[in-house]
Amino acid sequence: GAGVSQSPRYKVAKRGQDVALRCDPISGHVSLFWYQQALGQGPEFLTYFQNEAQLDKSGLPSDRFFAERPEGSVSTLKIQRTQQEDSAVYLCASSPRTGGNNQPQHFGDGTRLSIL
Amino acid sequence: QKEVEQNSGPLSVPEGAIASLNCTYSDRVSQSFFWYRQYSGKSPELIMSIYSNGDKEDGRFTAQLNKASQYVSLLIRDSQPSDSATYLCAVNKNRGSTLGRLYFGRGTQLTVWP
Repeated sequence: GAGVSQSPRYKVAKRGQDVALRCDPISGHVSLFWYQQALGQGPEFLTYFQNEAQLDKSGLPSDRFFAERPEGSVSTLKIQRTQQEDSAVYLCASSPRTGGNNQPQHFGDGTRLSIL
Repeated sequence: QKEVEQNSGPLSVPEGAIASLNCTYSDRVSQSFFWYRQYSGKSPELIMSIYSNGDKEDGRFTAQLNKASQYVSLLIRDSQPSDSATYLCAVNKNRGSTLGRLYFGRGTQLTVWP
């Protein structure tokens, strides 16, 4: 497809389970971002990749959150030992070149994660 | 203080009216400014970007930037019911460790009634 693809669209997990969320960016896009969007709030930055290098992970809320992009294309966001406060929509975005200014980010439809 | 502030609304306007959405940001080094539209359950969709002071027009949309006042606005002329959505203001500082990161406001919910 032409856009950013995320899977699954919906994920329900029990507290304490591990989850993995996948992002397939637009082909050829160098930069990839993960954001977390709580209900009624704007997206909050989690982490940023330039190709396979994770250049900024300062937004990850705890060491239970881990992201990777081993071949510089598909990325996975993993959350270990999920907690109820992890319930949110997780958005992935990509942009064509390095993360400088003037680079619009294109978003996927997100994964809605619910922790019971 | 949040990096980006928006009036969460809701803002309600009649069809055909001008909708005015406002946003302020706290860090003067901010360089790039974006407006995204987000329909319920959907991803944010970029509708405008602006990088220098003044106005930028694209169809029914006009973005205005005033860096001295740290203020960005979006005007939607001839509002249509299909414009009903949440509008997110986003800022990129393009500086050092924050390179590429977007800072978002919480969004303004707009309803255009027929």
